[in-house]
Amino acid sequence: KNEVEQSPQNLTAQEGEFITINCSYSVGISALHWLQQHPGGGIVSLFMLSSGKKKHGRLIATINIQEKHSSLHITASHPRDSAVYICAARDRETSGSRLTFGEGTQLTVNP
Amino acid sequence: EPEVTQTPSHQVTQMGQEVILRCVPISNHLYFYWYRQILGQKVEFLVSFYNNEISEKSEIFDDQFSVERPDGSNFTLKIRSTKLEDSAMYFCASSADRVYEQYFGPGTRLTVT
Repeated sequence: KNEVEQSPQNLTAQEGEFITINCSYSVGISALHWLQQHPGGGIVSLFMLSSGKKKHGRLIATINIQEKHSSLHITASHPRDSAVYICAARDRETSGSRLTFGEGTQLTVNP
Repeated sequence: EPEVTQTPSHQVTQMGQEVILRCVPISNHLYFYWYRQILGQKVEFLVSFYNNEISEKSEIFDDQFSVERPDGSNFTLKIRSTKLEDSAMYFCASSADRVYEQYFGPGTRLTVT
């Protein structure tokens, strides 16, 4: 069973700062998801990646398969980026694509 | 843009009652999922569903839970006899393929009193 750990649990930044959230997992995966959860509870998929790096606007996600580690970066952070960021791993062995979730990182960006 | 929808947004029920949570996945998606998030805890996988049968379920998904695709558009989660500990946010998700990105619905907040 995969164990997914995120750090930090809480992160407070000033507008414009560069943000990094880290995720590590314990067993081999077929993909790693980064998700954003808004205060109302809704979950939005940001990235799904299995190797290398993906970029979308100010968001960048990287993964190192050998080290079982992924990072989510936010450049030029803005108060509207305030949310919980969650990584979730899809185990390589699963038949049904179950995701194992991290605890989430609460990001607060102050103006 | 297509999206997953869920109804109701909030359901309050008494312990021991049956509840049915409804989801309409994205129309051309073939894989469907239910997850739950107890307040203050991480999201947990419940079940995945493909080709009208369960493809995987977690330890949480016991005999009190069932899923169904009663028609071509809806996907439901039934809890037969609710317990206080079933109070949580329940998320439905769908994907076009097993290895593709999953799209989440807005969630149903279930409160069991």
